[in-house]
Amino acid sequence: AQSVTQLDSHVSVSEGTPVLLRCNYSSSYSPSLFWYVQHPNKGLQLLLKYTSAATLVKGINGFEAEFKKSETSFHLTKPSAHMSDAAEYFCVVTLSLSSGSARQLTFGSGTQLTVLP
Amino acid sequence: GAVVSQHPSWVICKSGTSVKIECRSLDFQATTMFWYRQFPKQSLMLMATSNEGSKATYEQGVEKDKFLINHASLTLSTLTVTSAHPEDSSFYICSALAGSGAKNIQYFGAGTRLSVL
Repeated sequence: AQSVTQLDSHVSVSEGTPVLLRCNYSSSYSPSLFWYVQHPNKGLQLLLKYTSAATLVKGINGFEAEFKKSETSFHLTKPSAHMSDAAEYFCVVTLSLSSGSARQLTFGSGTQLTVLP
Repeated sequence: GAVVSQHPSWVICKSGTSVKIECRSLDFQATTMFWYRQFPKQSLMLMATSNEGSKATYEQGVEKDKFLINHASLTLSTLTVTSAHPEDSSFYICSALAGSGAKNIQYFGAGTRLSVL
């Protein structure tokens, strides 16, 4: 079984300060991990993904995440928050199944990021 | 990245009527698509996995006769909410699986907000 825990339901930062959104996962096998962002009344946009290559993954809009197997974590960071970063962020885990298999995603509960002026 | 189009973005209907939501992969073929439901301020809940040319696989607790899924082509899946009631009001999001093996990624539509009066 696999699961993902987002440790903070809400995070508030001031514009220009660093962002840290925490995510821990549980998986019996080698996981693939993703961060998605959802703006109000919008679908989900892929920020970045980890699929067993480099442990430090760089995504869009200046976000990055580091896969730490020893800590079973995949925290999302950004050096300097922008007002447009305010949104809901989902950490997602999925199993690395055999080639060609459809994979189901397991979503974390989400973290609402507020950016204060 | 790949583009998934979902239509309509917002629909209001009377109780007892049926509503069809379309999900299209615009620049790739998707053997597999997924349908999710999202309640306010909550994470996404997988409803069903839609496979082209075969019956959809529904998650436990999801009524297949209530939520009809058709995946008639490699670029189109539809979700029909039959005899809709106010409790069916929700945000429905589809995704399409692009790529193969460990490199496949789900790309999401922008979602459909269903309001049943």
